[in-house]
Amino acid sequence: AQSVTQLDSQVPVFEEAPVELRCNYSSSVSVYLFWYVQYPNQGLQLLLKYLSGSTLVKGINGFEAEFNKSQTSFHLRKPSVHISDTAEYFCALRTYTGGFKTIFGAGTRLFVKA
Amino acid sequence: SQTIHQWPATLVQPVGSPLSLECTVEGTSNPNLYWYRQAAGRGLQLLFYSVGIGQISSEVPQNLSASRPQDRQFILSSKKLLLSDSGFYLCAWSPTANTGELFFGEGSRLTVL
Repeated sequence: AQSVTQLDSQVPVFEEAPVELRCNYSSSVSVYLFWYVQYPNQGLQLLLKYLSGSTLVKGINGFEAEFNKSQTSFHLRKPSVHISDTAEYFCALRTYTGGFKTIFGAGTRLFVKA
Repeated sequence: SQTIHQWPATLVQPVGSPLSLECTVEGTSNPNLYWYRQAAGRGLQLLFYSVGIGQISSEVPQNLSASRPQDRQFILSSKKLLLSDSGFYLCAWSPTANTGELFFGEGSRLTVL
C-alpha cells in the first residue's frame, strides 16, 4: 500500500531564514509526487510536482523540491521565507490502482515569525 | 478556463439530520471527481472518487454516500449525521488522462452539534 509521511507537524522559522519541510513516501509502483499549500479556510493549491526527468523541481513562490528515489523522499525547500508563506503544506503522491488517486500526508504547518 | 465550486461554505447541523454538499466543475468534460475530508491535524482523507456518471468508489466505510448525477456534478450526502462527521470537506477534480494535479474547491466546513 502507498503512504506519505510528513516528518514534522509544525515548523517555526524566522522571516528570511531557509526552511525544509520533509516528506517520505512508500510505494511499490511508480508514483507522481506533489506539494500543495493551504491557506486558512481555503482549498489546496499546487506548489510543484515531480512526474519524471530532473529530480530538482521548481515551483511557485520560490519553492523547490528534490526527488530522491533511493531515500524515497521529496523534501520541500525555500532559501528565504516570508511572513506570507505561513500556511499548511501537504506532500502527496498520485498513483493508479483501479483509478487515479492522490494520497496526502498529514501536513506540516509552517509558521514564519518576524 | 476551468473552475470548481462547492457549497455551502459553512454548515451547522444537529446530530441525526441529513446532509447534502454539492460540487460542480465548469470548463471541462468527463473529469475525475473526488471528495476529501480534512480533520484537524490529520491531513486529507479520501472519501469517494468518481471516473464517470453514476460511477462511485468508496474509500472509507461510513455513513456518508456520494452521487454523480451529471458529468460535472458531485454530491456528498448523509441520511443521519454523527458528531464525528464534523470537518472540512473538499471537492476536487482532475483531468481524465492524468498524471497531474488536483484542482480543489473552496471547501465546506461542517459542524455537527
